[in-house]
Order: sequence, then structure tokens, then C-alpha cells
Amino acid sequence: DQQVKQNSPSLSVQEGRISILNCDYTNSMFDYFLWYKKYPAEGPTFLISISSIKDKNEDGRFTVFLNKSAKHLSLHIVPSQPGDSAVYFCAASLTGNQFYFGTGTSLTVIP
Amino acid sequence: GAVVSQHPSRVICKSGTSVKIECRSLDFQATTMFWYRQFPKKSLMLMATSNEGSKATYEQGVEKDKFLINHASLTLSTLTVTSAHPEDSSFYICSVMGNNQPQHFGDGTRLSIL
Repeated sequence: DQQVKQNSPSLSVQEGRISILNCDYTNSMFDYFLWYKKYPAEGPTFLISISSIKDKNEDGRFTVFLNKSAKHLSLHIVPSQPGDSAVYFCAASLTGNQFYFGTGTSLTVIP
Repeated sequence: GAVVSQHPSRVICKSGTSVKIECRSLDFQATTMFWYRQFPKKSLMLMATSNEGSKATYEQGVEKDKFLINHASLTLSTLTVTSAHPEDSSFYICSVMGNNQPQHFGDGTRLSIL
């Protein structure tokens, strides 16, 4: 049973615009959430994280929003750049142990 | 710089061959490493948790005799796919997690069994 879901397998955005990637989870006990970026034939690279005690975390062009009541988190990238084109995975963790990953969203930023 | 080194990056071999994949933690000692497998259009699936000095913990449905894990030192864990078959072809990724730090992943190994 998929505990973390990314319902959009792909997303295309014009350069300079905002990219919004969404993620839903089912386990209300998850207390730590992460976003990873993955290029083909490479391992995921950590992007940004958020603890369940927060609802927003910002790092440069990347902002993660957490809505615990809706069990939803999103990653905002603004402005989007062609180099941001990659697959983005969200992940959720319970006490920092086992991590559960979504299926990924392939982002294409069009120059 | 890279925190985790995974080797080899790509393996192509005949059915029945055993393949060993190495995962090295470069920046810190890792008592725990994770092995994942990624299927096309699916999420990273945790296969097992590798614990230094003790037996690995396998996820449900993962054959421990098929996927042998050895975590002999604080910086090295190996995954051996024994008697590999075409259905074992996949992308295998290891990761290392420091104390409450986000996971750092290796670049993965593309395994192709002919």
C-alpha cells in the first residue's frame, strides 16, 4: 500500500514561472518530510526538508509547504530554471527511521 | 562533494551470475545504510536496512538469500545479487543516514541481466 503518493507523473512549466509539485500521504504519524531531486542514472539528491512541527520551510528558490490536516505537502520552485528539469521525489519518515517515497514527478522546465 | 560512493554504476551480465554492489560512506561513519530498488515508474522501494556488525533487516517480500547484504565496516556495505535472473534487472541505490540527517544517496547501479 502506497503511503506516499505523487499523483502527477509529469509537469511542464515555462522558465521563470513557478513549479508546484504535490505530494499526499496517508500516515498521520509521519513527522519528517523531504524532497529529493533525481537526474537519470543518478541517485536522488536531497533538496529540502520540513519537520511536522512546521508548515513552511524556505531555502532559496525552493519552498516546502506542509498541511498536516490535509496530509499534503508541496514543493514550490520559483523562478523555475531549465536546470531544474528532473524527477522529484517526496519522502516521509517516522522518527527518522524508515523512509517512504512517492513515485516521483518528472518536471520539465521549458526555456 | 559526494558523500556516498556506489560502485559499479552499471553491470551487464549473464543469467546465473552473482553480482556485488558496493556502497561506501565517504564523509562519516555510518552504522546504518539502506538499500533501495527502483522499478520503472514506481517509487524507490526499500529492500533492506544494513546494520554494521549485525544482520541486515529485510523488508517483507525481499528474499534474504537472494540479496545478500554485508556491512562489515562503518564505511562499507555490500549488496550481492546471487544467481541473478532477468527479473532482477533494475536500478539499485544505497543510502546513508547520519544522526537525524537527511539521507545521502549513492548514484545507483543499473543492473542488466541478459
